Amino acid sequence: GQQVMQIPQYQHVQEGEDFTTYCNSSTTLSNIQWYKQRPGGHPVFLIQLVKSGEVKKQKRLTFQFGEAKKNSSLHITATQTTDVGTYFCVILTGGGNKLTFGTGTQLKVEL
Amino acid sequence: AAGVIQSPRHLIKEKRETATLKCYPIPRHDTVYWYQQGPGQDPQFLISFYEKMQSDKGSIPDRFSAQQFSDYHSELNMSSLELGDSALYFCASSFGRGRFEKLFFGSGTQLSVL
Repeated sequence: GQQVMQIPQYQHVQEGEDFTTYCNSSTTLSNIQWYKQRPGGHPVFLIQLVKSGEVKKQKRLTFQFGEAKKNSSLHITATQTTDVGTYFCVILTGGGNKLTFGTGTQLKVEL
Repeated sequence: AAGVIQSPRHLIKEKRETATLKCYPIPRHDTVYWYQQGPGQDPQFLISFYEKMQSDKGSIPDRFSAQQFSDYHSELNMSSLELGDSALYFCASSFGRGRFEKLFFGSGTQLSVL
């Protein structure tokens, strides 16, 4: 089936440093979503990207959809301890309601 | 605001037993998804329902079955449980089939098979 790879798998940063996770698909995507899962929690929707080259910002978070709609990135500026968690991209596969999670990037922020 | 409700929160079963997980979607949401998440793993899609009909099927074992009822709540039935079934099971709901609406997740059911 369609796979969605995310890199890196893990990232440890010092508080205040920037962080970026990348999501790569083998096929062209119609759109892509990003979710955050805190340790012990459930995935929480962050954003959806639809257009080629689209860039959206949420405070310190910047989301980008590649021009070819095969990759996406999430960049966090000046990380804080509240950013700790695993970030997943999610794509729609199949014709109906099969939403596939990427492999995820686990972010740890140290003081 | 109402969220997705899952019950029970924790469940401990023995091998070869059965388990039933319940999910109550957000009111007016017509689509329900089930995911299985092992420790340190990404959520794996099991099955989805739209308007009480199975919509898509993922890596759901034949020992598992699920359905969506007239009130839109869903149940995941798991039989002949195996140690490898121990995981966190999430239910999510959304509105609209194939529209790629955002998912709202419940807090999950932690299943431990001993």
